Amino acid sequence: DTGVSQDPRHKITKRGQNVTFRCDPISEHNRLYWYRQTLGQGPEFLTYFQNEAQLEKSRLLSDRFSAERPKGSFSTLEIQRTEQGDSAMYLCASSLALGPSLAKNIQYFGAGTRLSVL
Amino acid sequence: AQTVTQSQPEMSVQEAETVTLSCTYDTSESNYYLFWYKQPPSRQMILVIRQEAYKQQNATENRFSVNFQKAAKSFSLKISDSQLGDTAMYFCAFMPGGNFGNEKLTFGTGTRLTIIP
Repeated sequence: DTGVSQDPRHKITKRGQNVTFRCDPISEHNRLYWYRQTLGQGPEFLTYFQNEAQLEKSRLLSDRFSAERPKGSFSTLEIQRTEQGDSAMYLCASSLALGPSLAKNIQYFGAGTRLSVL
Repeated sequence: AQTVTQSQPEMSVQEAETVTLSCTYDTSESNYYLFWYKQPPSRQMILVIRQEAYKQQNATENRFSVNFQKAAKSFSLKISDSQLGDTAMYFCAFMPGGNFGNEKLTFGTGTRLTIIP
């Protein structure tokens, strides 16, 4: 178990540029989540996947945001035409969900990708 | 929609003392789960403790325990014999139960806890 890994750890970009983040979940986990955390706030849910299917998207996820999990393993989160308001920590989490048992519902988080839009 | 409120933005306590972090939530769900996550300065969130709403017994994990008051919708975290490594941001989080698949977490705004040597 190597944990959830995210790449890059930090990204600085200019307004209007596109950025892409990657998340590698814990290997046997079938669920993958993206959250956004701004300074002084708790993480806010963006979207999640069950294997390769994107099951839910938050209203926070504007049309400029797109997430994929093509083979049910790693996931990418792309932000097009970045704005200064996109500056935040983007957190990925994964879980093994086989049923409504609490033990299967624990989400394990990565260290995040900190995005700064200049 | 669920809301989670943490009314203590910052707390500090001497090493080896006991500290309690408060959390209240609002939901119309009857079945749900509550969590406390710790986020050290390195920023990776770690699960501290979890509670299933249908269980009346309060969860404990070593030095960490919760006081779960379902009727009052309160879920406080008690840290006993606090250690320097407990210094972190602590988030209370809610997850609805019921339908399989509805597993997004709703977080509070966090409490920054500092353990003083």
